[in-house]
Parts: sequence; C-alpha cells; structure tokens
Amino acid sequence: AQKVTQAQTEISVVEKEDVTLDCVYETRDTTYYLFWYKQPPSGELVFLIRRNSFDEQNEISGRYSWNFQKSTSSFNFTITASQVVDSAVYFCALSEYTGTASKLTFGTGTRLQVTL
Amino acid sequence: GAVVSQHPSWVICKSGTSVKIECRSLDFQATTMFWYRQFPKQSLMLMATSNEGSKATYEQGVEKDKFLINHASLTLSTLTVTSAHPEDSSFYICGAHRQETQYFGPGTRLLVL
Repeated sequence: AQKVTQAQTEISVVEKEDVTLDCVYETRDTTYYLFWYKQPPSGELVFLIRRNSFDEQNEISGRYSWNFQKSTSSFNFTITASQVVDSAVYFCALSEYTGTASKLTFGTGTRLQVTL
Repeated sequence: GAVVSQHPSWVICKSGTSVKIECRSLDFQATTMFWYRQFPKQSLMLMATSNEGSKATYEQGVEKDKFLINHASLTLSTLTVTSAHPEDSSFYICGAHRQETQYFGPGTRLLVL
C-alpha cells in the first residue's frame, strides 16, 4: 500500500524567510510519480510539480525548489524568500507509474502561513 | 493548458433534494476523471474514478447509489448527490487526468440544510 506523510501540520513564517515542507512516502512500486499541489484559501488545487521515480534531479522554478531523495523516500519542497501569497495548504501526493490514469495518494497537507 | 472547470461553485439545497455537479476539461480530453471529497482542514478523500463510456469505480465505503457518476464524454463528468442530507455537506472537487498528471477543478461547496 502507498502512504504519504507530511509531518508538519502547520508552519508559520515571516515574509522573506525560507521555508521547507517535508514529504516522506512509502511504496512497494519501483516506478512511481510524486507531486506537489497548492490549495489556497479559495479551494482550488493547483499543480506545482511532477517527478518520476527514476529522475532524482532536483528542480528549481523561481522561488520554488524540490529535493527528491530516493534513498530516504523524501520529496521536500522549499520556498525561498516566502511571500504572503504563498499562504496555502500544500499537499504532497504519490501515484503508480502505469502509463494510464492512476489514483493519487495524498498526504494530510501542510498549512503554511506567511505573515508580514 | 490543462484547465478544469466545475459548476456550480456553491450550492445550498434542502434535505432530500438531488444536486448535480459538473466537471469539464476545457482544453484537453480526459478519458479518466476522479471525484474527491474534502472536509474542513482535512486531506482529499477519493470517492470514485470515472471513465468515459463505462461505469465508475467507487472506493470502499462510498455508496454508488447515493453518489451517481456519469462520464458521458471525453470532456465532461457529472456527480449527482441523490437525496442529499446535511452530512453530505462538504467540498467536492474533481481531477481530470492528462499526461500522467491530475489537474483539478476549483471545487464545489455543498451545503445541505
């Protein structure tokens, strides 16, 4: 069975601070996908990144960066110089790599509050 | 690309009525769509997987006769909450599959009085 753990329930930072959101996963599959989604207060779920299991290269997109470490089954997300607009719930998710549509297993989410 | 819409965004209804929620992929075709339910401050709970032209697959514990799903075209899936009761009040959100990724609609908030 697949499992995603986001141990940080809530994080509060002051604007311009860097913040890292942790994600640890469990799966018996040798190939799989990992995702991060952002859910702002309005409710929609915004896709941020997809990473497949055989690509361990870290990725940077503007102020966002992701660190995938297969050895520790972690896929952590760092926001550099946080802004108030980053306030949201962030979900890490895992799916099988089947070539067709697969279910997502979500973590419980981390609520990030960025204040001035 | 990969825009998904949901309608309505908000619905308030009386107990016993049925409510239909539409999920549309606007700029791509989605053979598979997923329906989720989310309670306040909780994660998303998968209710069912909807495949175009075939019956939906429901997760354990989800009543298929209460939550009717129809995926009649490659861009539209509907969720009908039949005989809604206050305990059905929740946030419902759909995900449409495209190229190994699920893209989500803005969600529908249902309040049953």
